[in-house]
Amino acid sequence: GQNIDQPTEMTATEGAIVQINCTYQTSGFNGLFWYQQHAGEAPTFLSYNVLDGLEEKGRFSSFLSRSKGYSYLLLKELQMKDSASYLCAVSPDNYGQNFVFGPGTRLSVLP
Amino acid sequence: ETGVTQTPRHLVMGMTNKKSLKCEQHLGHNAMYWYKQSAKKPLELMFVYNFKEQTENNSVPSRFSPECPNSSHLFLHLHTLQPEDSALYLCASSQDLQAKYFGAGTRLSVL
Repeated sequence: GQNIDQPTEMTATEGAIVQINCTYQTSGFNGLFWYQQHAGEAPTFLSYNVLDGLEEKGRFSSFLSRSKGYSYLLLKELQMKDSASYLCAVSPDNYGQNFVFGPGTRLSVLP
Repeated sequence: ETGVTQTPRHLVMGMTNKKSLKCEQHLGHNAMYWYKQSAKKPLELMFVYNFKEQTENNSVPSRFSPECPNSSHLFLHLHTLQPEDSALYLCASSQDLQAKYFGAGTRLSVL
């Protein structure tokens, strides 16, 4: 079976740093994706990890450990507009069509 | 603008109605998807079309009927739906293993 776990909700303060964790158990592994989804809007792609380590993209970074089935999304210098749901998704095979999505983490950034 | 357009954005229908959701992608991708997003549940893959051929049907009830006339357009035909079918229906497209790009979704309410 396929399973992805994320915390349901998190709260952080504007200007701070927050880390959103994701653990997965899937039949295979061919990449992990993070998406941001504001309420009532489409999910938008943030990052992609297929090798172990840290990928940095501006204020956002994503880390992967394949041996531990673990990833995190790190958001620095939080802004109010970062309040959204963050979805972790895993591609378990080479087809790239069978994404498994986690339940999402709702992040609230407070002033 | 994500390059994936869905219409309508909101739809209210009775259980005896027939309606259709439309999706159009302007990205030149070769795969299109329908997902269902219910409150507090992970995104659920419904249908996948790769080069206009349906390759995935995750045991979706027959009251949902997809149609993909070409690689840029995808429809979801709805008939005799149930109240539990009320959800956000998201269309997405992708090219091979690249990240999926989502439309803004259709918020469906079945009365």
